[in-house]
Amino acid sequence: AQKVTQAQTEISVVEKEDVTLDCVYETRDTTYYLFWYKQPPSGELVFLIRRNSFDEQNEISGRYSWNFQKSTSSFNFTITASQVVDSAVYFCALRKEKLVFGKGTKLTVNP
Amino acid sequence: DTGVSQDPRHKITKRGQNVTFRCDPISEHNRLYWYRQTLGQGPEFLTYFQNEAQLEKSRLLSDRFSAERPKGSFSTLEIQRTEQGDSAMYLCASSLVAGGARNEQFFGPGTRLTVL
Repeated sequence: AQKVTQAQTEISVVEKEDVTLDCVYETRDTTYYLFWYKQPPSGELVFLIRRNSFDEQNEISGRYSWNFQKSTSSFNFTITASQVVDSAVYFCALRKEKLVFGKGTKLTVNP
Repeated sequence: DTGVSQDPRHKITKRGQNVTFRCDPISEHNRLYWYRQTLGQGPEFLTYFQNEAQLEKSRLLSDRFSAERPKGSFSTLEIQRTEQGDSAMYLCASSLVAGGARNEQFFGPGTRLTVL
């Protein structure tokens, strides 16, 4: 069975702080994809990143960075110098065919 | 607008009524997925289509639920005899699967169903 655990239910930071959102996954598949999606208050899920199981390189995109560690089955997401607009619920997901989502982490960035 | 669209955005109905939602995927996408999201939870998979073929249905999809994608383009999700537990956001997503490559799913804005 596939499972995604986001242990942090809510995180609150002050603007300009760095914040890391944790994601741990379980799967028996050797080939799979990992994703992060953002869900702002408007409700629409916004794709942020896809990583396949064979690519353990970390990735940076502007203020966002992702750390994929197969040895610990983790795919953590860091926002550097957070901004108020980053406030949203962030979901980590695992995919073979369909997406299996974690319960999400609600991030609040206060001015 | 070339994204995934869903209609209606909001639906309020009385228990026992039937409701139907529509999803229009990104035009060149051959896969279409339905998910359900309840408050405070992540989306949960319901079913998906490749073109017009329904390839998988979740155990969450009781026999009161039926989904179709008759021409391989738009899809409908119908819930018969709605129950209060059906209240949720129903999300549609689409993706392109070609040559063995499976690309990311793009989500629509969702249909929020409230069953009174």
